[in-house]
Amino acid sequence: GESVGLHLPTLSVQEGDNSIINCAYSNSASDYFIWYKQESGKGPQFIIDIRSNMDKRQGQRVTVLLNKTVKHLSLQIAATQPGDSAVYFCAENRGNQGGKLIFGQGTELSVKP
Amino acid sequence: DTGVSQDPRHKITKRGQNVTFRCDPISEHNRLYWYRQTLGQGPEFLTYFQNEAQLEKSRLLSDRFSAERPKGSFSTLEIQRTEQGDSAMYLCASSLENRSPQHFGDGTRLSIL
Repeated sequence: GESVGLHLPTLSVQEGDNSIINCAYSNSASDYFIWYKQESGKGPQFIIDIRSNMDKRQGQRVTVLLNKTVKHLSLQIAATQPGDSAVYFCAENRGNQGGKLIFGQGTELSVKP
Repeated sequence: DTGVSQDPRHKITKRGQNVTFRCDPISEHNRLYWYRQTLGQGPEFLTYFQNEAQLEKSRLLSDRFSAERPKGSFSTLEIQRTEQGDSAMYLCASSLENRSPQHFGDGTRLSIL
């Protein structure tokens, strides 16, 4: 399944499928990006980050892709599991503004067993 | 546990009362951030410290809000004369430096009666 940016806040996938969550950021001066996972009643949990001098970064079952030309970021989750169900936020860090994070609206990922 | 801790986890108070929240960051982290999150939205930046210096405050931080980090370790966020609109989750995060991952606590949920 695939979510198109922040205009489709809910994504439902079958367990075992790959998930792709998209994010459009607003400021071309942003040079550092982070994906967070937030479960109900908890704070955002760091998943993976990427700097603007990279196009791709891989972690455990996750990959982040950065397209600076169109100011687009995506998070790919391989072999999605029920424990991946949560709200996912992308955040941009405008480094010349002291490191504060600007968060997008978020996408709710629901994994069906 | 060496993560970010926040206290209390929940606070219910009557309108007009003062409240104070505490955040203990990851011990070696120089930077400490406060964010506010309302239901269905991403966190919004309020203020941040580098060591004990408060370097930036958002326009969201009205005169009723004050934050301190007196010894460059834990921080407090005080809200005076609380209003209904202050009801939200208040999140604290810390990072080692600029452009490094911010790690969040589980927040303090404030409910104004």
